[in-house]
Amino acid sequence: DAMVIQNPRYQVTQFGKPVTLSCSQTLNHNVMYWYQQKSSQAPKLLFHYYDKDFNNEADTPDNFQSRRPNTSFCFLDIRSPGLGDAAMYLCATSSSRQGHSSYEQYFGPGTRLTVT
Amino acid sequence: AQTVTQSQPEMSVQEAETVTLSCTYDTSESDYYLFWYKQPPSRQMILVIRQEAYKQQNATENRFSVNFQKAAKSFSLKISDSQLGDAAMYFCAYRSVWGNGGSQGNLIFGKGTKLSVKP
Repeated sequence: DAMVIQNPRYQVTQFGKPVTLSCSQTLNHNVMYWYQQKSSQAPKLLFHYYDKDFNNEADTPDNFQSRRPNTSFCFLDIRSPGLGDAAMYLCATSSSRQGHSSYEQYFGPGTRLTVT
Repeated sequence: AQTVTQSQPEMSVQEAETVTLSCTYDTSESDYYLFWYKQPPSRQMILVIRQEAYKQQNATENRFSVNFQKAAKSFSLKISDSQLGDAAMYFCAYRSVWGNGGSQGNLIFGKGTKLSVKP
């Protein structure tokens, strides 16, 4: 089945130690999103890629970076994690191409990040 | 800017009963999409139902249906014959049709409603 995959599902990192979360998709969607979700809150969009174009949300801290080496993969890099960055990180995809359900986002299972 | 409001932080329903979750939104746009997403305790977000604003007919997916009132900017979700597996956080979300580049696909979420189902 086509899907959005996130690895790892659980990640523990130390305060200030860089960490990378990964997302891959088999849907061939051209748009990929990264969200941060804290307990009992709605997902907060960090940034998204529209094809190769990177779109950063205005309030996303500089500590968060992203890479998209190809259509299938997208990475979230946290350069110096703080305790406040502990959260669930959700990856999602959608397609803006004609013939697709271009208004639907498909979510991965998320990576739960713990900062010690 | 568009906003989405879910006024019920928590709801509870008896198994096999019907429950309605409320959602209101604010927009100056005439064309847009509305969604209900479900996030069970395992936390994978899945789409429950979608509604295109230009369609007057309310969307229905099996036990899930919406009451879309465009003039009132209201988009409630009705779950019929509730099952234990319906227990989850439910998020209402708005998406513009028009926007710059990929931003047209961005979802604006409400804060969510936690639904409990009692056996």
